[in-house]
Amino acid sequence: NAGVTQTPKFQVLKTGQSMTLQCAQDMNHNSMYWYRQDPGMGLRLIYYSASEGTTDKGEVPNGYNVSRLNKREFSLRLESAAPSQTSVYFCASSERQNNEQFFGPGTRLTVL
Amino acid sequence: GENVEQHPSTLSVQEGDSAVIKCTYSDSASNYFPWYKQELGKRPQLIIDIRSNVGEKKDQRIAVTLNKTAKHFSLHITETQPEDSAVYFCAASTGTASKLTFGTGTRLQVTL
Repeated sequence: NAGVTQTPKFQVLKTGQSMTLQCAQDMNHNSMYWYRQDPGMGLRLIYYSASEGTTDKGEVPNGYNVSRLNKREFSLRLESAAPSQTSVYFCASSERQNNEQFFGPGTRLTVL
Repeated sequence: GENVEQHPSTLSVQEGDSAVIKCTYSDSASNYFPWYKQELGKRPQLIIDIRSNVGEKKDQRIAVTLNKTAKHFSLHITETQPEDSAVYFCAASTGTASKLTFGTGTRLQVTL
């Protein structure tokens, strides 16, 4: 089992460009999440999907959109990147709510 | 929404000593409290979790205590080893939404 995978590992964007971060899990988990991690601020929830077909906002959703493509895949889109979105992005999944979350390896995004 | 505060931000202990990290939460409805360990450049990984119907949980050298009245929970690591050096995050989750709110992290350094 690969667990939770994310692509790409690194990305540099210019202000105003768009991109999609991909996440997939092979553990048949129902719930998936997107976090951003900034120095000194811990992990902050951007969006989550409690189950296939549902998505909901987290703590910092502005500037992002998500798609739960199927049970395995959950993508995060930046429509018009801004320097404030420079961060490390982690995808995670859990079997059900309030259970252990398994994290992907992260995507380091720099917006110039 | 939920607010989780974590202290201290950095902690240095000698090998073999104990380490204690404390967190407080604001929402009395929170019922799930996991602790994650993140080594440098790696993804966060769950090390222990506790639910609101339990006051204490132990797993070898690691223990977590929960005081619902005071709304705080703590991580205790005994007989620390160099491989315990990492950043530790506490988190709290409310009800069925499973929206984890993380603390800002504690960088633990175990010196020889």
